[in-house]
Formats: sequence, C-alpha cells, structure tokens
Amino acid sequence: DGGITQSPKYLFRKEGQNVTLSCEQNLNHDAMYWYRQDPGQGLRLIYYSQIVNDFQKGDIAEGYSVSREKKESFPLTVTSAQKNPTAFYLCASQQADGYTFGSGTRLTVV
Amino acid sequence: KQEVTQIPAALSVPEGENLVLNCSFTDSAIYNLQWFRQDPGKGLTSLLLIQSSQREQTSGRLNASLDKSSGRSTLYIAASQPGDSATYLCAVRTGRGGKLIFGQGTELSVKP
Repeated sequence: DGGITQSPKYLFRKEGQNVTLSCEQNLNHDAMYWYRQDPGQGLRLIYYSQIVNDFQKGDIAEGYSVSREKKESFPLTVTSAQKNPTAFYLCASQQADGYTFGSGTRLTVV
Repeated sequence: KQEVTQIPAALSVPEGENLVLNCSFTDSAIYNLQWFRQDPGKGLTSLLLIQSSQREQTSGRLNASLDKSSGRSTLYIAASQPGDSATYLCAVRTGRGGKLIFGQGTELSVKP
C-alpha cells in the first residue's frame, strides 16, 4: 500500500537536546511538508520541499532544520533553539491537488 | 496575508441532526479549498476538494460549498452519526504552487 510513514509516534526530548522526526513516503510524490499543530489550533507550516535537494522555510521555521537527500524522505530536526517544541508534528506529501498526511509524531519536552 | 477562520470552535449535536460547519477566508484569490477530517491523535484525511471555479462538491452525506466573492465555505453534514465525531479543518491553497493555509478547526461531537 502506498502511504506516508512518520516515526516515532511519541518522542520525549530533554532540554538542550536535538531530536529528529522521520517522514518516509512511497507515493512518488515530489512535494513534502512539515506542519506543527498545537491544541485548538490549525496546522502551521514549518518547512516544505518541492524537489530533492531543495527546501524552503515556512511560517515558523526558527529552531527547526530539514534535509531532502532522497525523494522518499524528509526528516525534521527540532533543535535546542526551539524554545517551545511540545506539539503534534504532521508530515504530508503532495502531487497535483492531492495531499496525503502521516499519522503524526507527538513531541514532549521533559 | 491570507487568514482562515472556522466557526464554531466546537459543536455538540444529537445523532441524526443535519449540521453546518463554517469556514471564512480573507483573500478571495484562492486556487482551491479543501475540507479535512482529523481523528484524535491522528493525521488528516481529505474529505472534499473544491476548485476555485466550482460552487460545490458532494460525497455521500457531505456537501461543501464555496462562495469566493464573500470568502466563505460551508461543510454540510446530513443525518449526523456518532462516527462523524472528529475535528474538521478547512484549508485554502493560494496558487497552483501555493501552500495550504489552515483554519483552526471545528471539533464535532455527535451524541448517540
């Protein structure tokens, strides 16, 4: 089955640590996106990539970094510079008008 | 800057009711509008996509309308069921290469 896989489902980060969230798709989609969702809010765009080896900042990129070395993979690193990282993170891929979302990673600072 | 607003933030109805969820956007120059469903702790599932040239789309008990001139879209759910309980998000796309801009969502609870 084609789809998009995010891992881990739950992630705990200590103060000052960098953590990486995985996003893999086998849909052969060109574009991939990372969103952050806070309680009672919609999705806010962190980073997006429309082609391999290229990516752009979204609305809330500070404290995050990404890479796009392969079409299938778009990992997100939450760095220690992100002061309030506790949130639900969603990855999506897109081709034409179709968007496919992963099941999300819930990140908690401990 | 495009902004998307959804009202109400939460809605609770008895099973069997017809209901309407509202979405408004500030810039009428949109490429398309989508309605998504999100179950608790899960990702998003696309429900309906309306292109800017269209007025409505239907899928089963769901009907979405679009009025670009007034910056509004509605999602109509007929004969609601407990299984419809979820958060419903609308999102506009500002151009062919544009990104999705989301509203805050409406959390729907359908009571048996």
